[in-house]
Amino acid sequence: GAVVSQHPSRVICKSGTSVKIECRSLDFQATTMFWYRQFPKKSLMLMATSNEGSKATYEQGVEKDKFLINHASLTLSTLTVTSAHPEDSSFYICSAGGGREGTGELFFGEGSRLTVL
Amino acid sequence: GDSVTQMEGPVTLSEEAFLTINCTYTATGYPSLFWYVQYPGEGLQLLLKATKADDKGSNKGFEATYRKETTSFHLEKGSVQVSDSAVYFCALISGGYNKLIFGAGTRLAVHP
Repeated sequence: GAVVSQHPSRVICKSGTSVKIECRSLDFQATTMFWYRQFPKKSLMLMATSNEGSKATYEQGVEKDKFLINHASLTLSTLTVTSAHPEDSSFYICSAGGGREGTGELFFGEGSRLTVL
Repeated sequence: GDSVTQMEGPVTLSEEAFLTINCTYTATGYPSLFWYVQYPGEGLQLLLKATKADDKGSNKGFEATYRKETTSFHLEKGSVQVSDSAVYFCALISGGYNKLIFGAGTRLAVHP
């Protein structure tokens, strides 16, 4: 079964509103989670590294005020898309590591498809 | 910066055909290399990995060999099945942390 769960799996919102996506590790504690954005027919783009109890580390070009990340506990990280616009429509995926650092043993959520009207 | 380039899809094959999906990388240092698979409606799953030069990763009949001299990690399978239809992502980690850099993904469609 899934060890990383995302919610909601699909969300439609109006332009200008904010949307929160949750990522939970179900069977393990994750001090670090990763948020990716997947464009149609393109690769997953790493947006940020979510660190439990501290600020997220954002990749170059990702607006931290636009994509707010909170990692308040060892099993939950949230991504909030603030003042969403149609260009924010995308597939957002989180992952969390269950293995040792550097092993790539990451578990991925099922993804959340955001559509901004 | 580090990057991964993989062949564009879609790749369409008949059942039992031979599969190759090319992947090359650019990285400083000595990255670990991975293939992830995304089946329809599911999250990504680790398919196989190799952590040093000449290592061969294998799983479910798929294989990939870490070629440092050609900076490649091509995915192969001798006889594909319809159930192998999915999107395959080549990826790397460089620097010892679990931050993955993905290629663009290659969609594979296998027909009976």
